[in-house]
Amino acid sequence: DQQVKQNSPSLSVQEGRISILNCDYTNSMFDYFLWYKKYPAEGPTFLISISSIKDKNEDGRFTVFLNKSAKHLSLHIVPSQPGDSAVYFCAASGDDYGGSQGNLIFGKGTKLSVKP
Amino acid sequence: DAGITQSPRHKVTETGTPVTLRCHQTENHRYMYWYRQDPGHGLRLIHYSYGVKDTDKGEVSDGYSVSRSKTEDFLLTLESATSSQTSVYFCAISVQGDEAFFGQGTRLTVV
Repeated sequence: DQQVKQNSPSLSVQEGRISILNCDYTNSMFDYFLWYKKYPAEGPTFLISISSIKDKNEDGRFTVFLNKSAKHLSLHIVPSQPGDSAVYFCAASGDDYGGSQGNLIFGKGTKLSVKP
Repeated sequence: DAGITQSPRHKVTETGTPVTLRCHQTENHRYMYWYRQDPGHGLRLIHYSYGVKDTDKGEVSDGYSVSRSKTEDFLLTLESATSSQTSVYFCAISVQGDEAFFGQGTRLTVV
Protein backbone atom coordinates (compact mmCIF):
# COMPACT_ATOMS: atom_id res chain seq x y z
CA ASP A 1 0.00 0.00 0.00
CA GLN A 2 1.41 3.35 -1.02
CA GLN A 3 2.21 5.59 1.90
CA VAL A 4 3.02 8.64 -0.22
CA LYS A 5 0.74 9.32 -3.15
CA GLN A 6 1.05 11.71 -6.05
CA ASN A 7 -2.19 11.17 -7.89
CA SER A 8 -1.43 13.35 -10.90
CA PRO A 9 1.12 11.71 -13.22
CA SER A 10 1.43 14.89 -15.25
CA LEU A 11 0.67 18.60 -15.18
CA SER A 12 0.93 21.21 -17.92
CA VAL A 13 0.99 24.95 -17.21
CA GLN A 14 1.74 28.11 -19.12
CA GLU A 15 4.94 30.02 -18.47
CA GLY A 16 4.41 32.71 -15.85
CA ARG A 17 1.44 30.99 -14.24
CA ILE A 18 1.35 29.05 -11.00
CA SER A 19 2.14 25.33 -10.87
CA ILE A 20 0.59 23.38 -8.01
CA LEU A 21 1.79 19.85 -7.37
CA ASN A 22 -0.03 17.76 -4.80
CA CYS A 23 0.95 14.94 -2.50
CA ASP A 24 -0.99 12.88 0.04
CA TYR A 25 0.35 10.58 2.72
CA THR A 26 -1.17 7.96 4.94
CA ASN A 27 1.40 7.33 7.68
CA SER A 28 0.86 9.66 10.63
CA MET A 29 4.41 8.94 11.86
CA PHE A 30 5.88 10.98 9.02
CA ASP A 31 7.18 14.26 10.37
CA TYR A 32 9.36 15.63 7.61
CA PHE A 33 8.47 16.15 3.98
CA LEU A 34 10.60 16.95 0.97
CA TRP A 35 10.27 17.76 -2.69
CA TYR A 36 12.79 16.66 -5.29
CA LYS A 37 13.10 17.64 -8.92
CA LYS A 38 14.46 15.24 -11.50
CA TYR A 39 15.59 15.88 -15.04
CA PRO A 40 16.03 12.97 -17.48
CA ALA A 41 19.31 11.07 -17.08
CA GLU A 42 20.16 12.92 -13.87
CA GLY A 43 19.76 12.15 -10.19
CA PRO A 44 16.98 13.78 -8.17
CA THR A 45 17.91 17.15 -6.72
CA PHE A 46 16.59 18.43 -3.43
CA LEU A 47 14.22 21.37 -3.82
CA ILE A 48 12.52 22.27 -0.57
CA SER A 49 11.37 20.63 2.65
CA ILE A 50 9.00 21.21 5.54
CA SER A 51 8.82 19.93 9.08
CA SER A 52 5.51 18.82 10.52
CA ILE A 53 5.68 21.62 13.08
CA LYS A 54 5.20 24.13 10.27
CA ASP A 55 2.45 24.63 7.75
CA LYS A 56 4.40 26.62 5.19
CA ASN A 57 7.95 26.98 3.95
CA GLU A 58 9.04 29.34 1.21
CA ASP A 59 12.21 29.52 -0.85
CA GLY A 60 12.17 31.97 -3.71
CA ARG A 61 9.62 30.85 -6.30
CA PHE A 62 8.92 27.63 -4.41
CA THR A 63 6.51 27.28 -1.49
CA VAL A 64 5.47 24.08 0.23
CA PHE A 65 2.24 23.94 2.22
CA LEU A 66 1.45 21.22 4.74
CA ASN A 67 -2.02 20.35 6.00
CA LYS A 68 -1.48 17.74 8.70
CA SER A 69 -5.13 17.13 9.44
CA ALA A 70 -5.72 16.26 5.78
CA LYS A 71 -2.33 14.51 5.44
CA HIS A 72 -1.74 16.62 2.37
CA LEU A 73 1.07 18.76 1.08
CA SER A 74 1.48 20.83 -2.01
CA LEU A 75 4.30 22.53 -3.87
CA HIS A 76 3.59 25.88 -5.48
CA ILE A 77 5.89 27.29 -8.14
CA VAL A 78 5.30 30.95 -8.98
CA PRO A 79 5.97 32.07 -11.63
CA SER A 80 6.54 28.86 -13.56
CA GLN A 81 9.41 28.83 -16.05
CA PRO A 82 10.19 26.43 -18.91
CA GLY A 83 13.30 25.30 -16.99
CA ASP A 84 11.00 23.99 -14.27
CA SER A 85 9.85 21.24 -16.62
CA ALA A 86 10.87 18.04 -14.86
CA VAL A 87 9.50 15.20 -12.76
CA TYR A 88 8.75 16.24 -9.18
CA PHE A 89 8.84 13.71 -6.38
CA CYS A 90 7.28 14.13 -2.98
CA ALA A 91 9.04 12.27 -0.15
CA ALA A 92 8.44 11.72 3.54
CA SER A 93 10.37 10.51 6.56
CA GLY A 94 9.97 10.14 10.30
CA ASP A 95 12.08 9.35 13.35
CA ASP A 96 10.00 6.32 14.12
CA TYR A 97 10.01 5.11 10.55
CA GLY A 98 13.03 3.42 9.05
CA GLY A 99 15.26 4.24 11.96
CA SER A 100 17.61 6.57 10.16
CA GLN A 101 17.79 10.01 8.73
CA GLY A 102 17.42 10.19 4.99
CA ASN A 103 15.41 6.97 4.80
CA LEU A 104 12.78 8.41 2.54
CA ILE A 105 9.49 7.15 1.19
CA PHE A 106 8.80 8.58 -2.25
CA GLY A 107 5.70 9.15 -4.28
CA LYS A 108 5.60 8.07 -7.92
CA GLY A 109 6.24 11.55 -9.22
CA THR A 110 4.44 14.18 -11.28
CA LYS A 111 5.80 15.28 -14.64
CA LEU A 112 5.51 19.05 -14.96
CA SER A 113 5.59 20.67 -18.37
CA VAL A 114 5.83 24.45 -18.52
CA LYS A 115 4.98 25.78 -21.95
CA PRO A 116 6.47 29.04 -23.26
CA ASP B 1 27.50 19.04 -5.66
CA ALA B 2 27.62 16.55 -2.79
CA GLY B 3 30.66 14.75 -4.21
CA ILE B 4 28.93 11.50 -5.14
CA THR B 5 30.23 9.35 -7.98
CA GLN B 6 28.49 6.23 -9.21
CA SER B 7 30.15 3.64 -11.41
CA PRO B 8 29.49 2.31 -13.89
CA ARG B 9 26.95 4.74 -15.33
CA HIS B 10 25.56 2.13 -17.68
CA LYS B 11 25.77 -1.65 -17.67
CA VAL B 12 24.21 -4.48 -19.61
CA THR B 13 24.54 -7.92 -18.08
CA GLU B 14 23.13 -11.39 -18.55
CA THR B 15 20.63 -13.09 -16.30
CA GLY B 16 22.34 -15.06 -13.57
CA THR B 17 25.59 -13.10 -13.51
CA PRO B 18 26.79 -11.18 -10.46
CA VAL B 19 26.92 -7.40 -10.70
CA THR B 20 28.44 -4.83 -8.37
CA LEU B 21 27.64 -1.14 -8.47
CA ARG B 22 29.86 1.34 -6.70
CA CYS B 23 29.07 4.57 -4.94
CA HIS B 24 31.91 6.82 -3.88
CA GLN B 25 31.64 9.98 -1.82
CA THR B 26 34.36 12.51 -1.10
CA GLU B 27 33.00 14.21 2.00
CA ASN B 28 32.99 11.57 4.77
CA HIS B 29 29.25 11.51 5.35
CA ARG B 30 28.02 8.79 7.65
CA TYR B 31 24.76 7.81 5.97
CA MET B 32 24.64 6.33 2.48
CA TYR B 33 21.72 4.81 0.57
CA TRP B 34 20.89 2.77 -2.49
CA TYR B 35 17.57 3.42 -4.25
CA ARG B 36 16.10 2.06 -7.43
CA GLN B 37 13.79 3.97 -9.73
CA ASP B 38 11.23 2.21 -11.89
CA PRO B 39 8.36 3.55 -13.98
CA GLY B 40 5.21 3.72 -11.89
CA HIS B 41 7.09 3.23 -8.61
CA GLY B 42 9.05 6.37 -7.90
CA LEU B 43 12.22 5.70 -5.90
CA ARG B 44 12.41 2.79 -3.48
CA LEU B 45 15.06 2.17 -0.86
CA ILE B 46 17.10 -1.03 -1.29
CA HIS B 47 19.68 -0.83 1.52
CA TYR B 48 21.31 1.84 3.57
CA SER B 49 24.39 2.26 5.72
CA TYR B 50 24.91 4.27 8.88
CA GLY B 51 28.64 3.69 9.16
CA VAL B 52 31.49 1.40 8.20
CA LYS B 53 30.24 -2.19 8.31
CA ASP B 54 26.83 -0.97 9.54
CA THR B 55 24.07 -1.62 7.04
CA ASP B 56 20.37 -2.36 7.06
CA LYS B 57 17.64 -3.39 4.67
CA GLY B 58 15.21 -1.09 2.95
CA GLU B 59 11.87 -1.64 1.31
CA VAL B 60 13.07 -3.76 -1.65
CA SER B 61 16.20 -5.55 -0.42
CA ASP B 62 15.52 -9.06 -1.74
CA GLY B 63 18.17 -10.13 -4.26
CA TYR B 64 20.61 -7.41 -3.19
CA SER B 65 23.48 -7.21 -0.75
CA VAL B 66 25.67 -4.28 0.25
CA SER B 67 29.02 -3.68 1.81
CA ARG B 68 30.74 -0.68 3.34
CA SER B 69 34.34 -1.34 4.27
CA LYS B 70 35.35 2.32 3.99
CA THR B 71 33.42 5.47 4.80
CA GLU B 72 33.68 6.72 1.25
CA ASP B 73 32.51 3.59 -0.60
CA PHE B 74 29.14 1.84 -0.56
CA LEU B 75 28.81 -1.18 -2.85
CA LEU B 76 25.59 -2.74 -4.09
CA THR B 77 25.78 -6.34 -5.31
CA LEU B 78 23.28 -8.34 -7.27
CA GLU B 79 24.41 -11.88 -6.55
CA SER B 80 22.56 -13.34 -9.53
CA ALA B 81 20.95 -10.71 -11.71
CA THR B 82 17.37 -11.14 -12.88
CA SER B 83 15.36 -9.23 -15.46
CA SER B 84 13.26 -7.70 -12.66
CA GLN B 85 16.40 -5.93 -11.49
CA THR B 86 16.60 -3.94 -14.70
CA SER B 87 16.33 -0.44 -13.32
CA VAL B 88 18.06 2.84 -12.67
CA TYR B 89 19.99 2.74 -9.42
CA PHE B 90 20.73 5.84 -7.39
CA CYS B 91 23.14 6.25 -4.55
CA ALA B 92 22.44 8.96 -2.01
CA ILE B 93 24.01 10.49 1.08
CA SER B 94 22.54 12.48 3.96
CA VAL B 95 24.24 15.80 4.46
CA GLN B 96 21.90 17.29 7.05
CA GLY B 97 18.65 16.22 8.58
CA ASP B 98 16.59 14.01 6.35
CA GLU B 99 17.69 15.62 3.11
CA ALA B 100 19.29 13.05 0.86
CA PHE B 101 21.53 14.08 -2.04
CA PHE B 102 21.70 11.79 -5.01
CA GLY B 103 24.30 10.65 -7.48
CA GLN B 104 23.79 10.65 -11.23
CA GLY B 105 22.50 7.09 -11.35
CA THR B 106 23.47 3.77 -12.94
CA ARG B 107 21.27 2.36 -15.65
CA LEU B 108 21.38 -1.44 -15.40
CA THR B 109 19.86 -3.71 -18.01
CA VAL B 110 19.62 -7.43 -17.36
CA VAL B 111 19.04 -9.45 -20.55
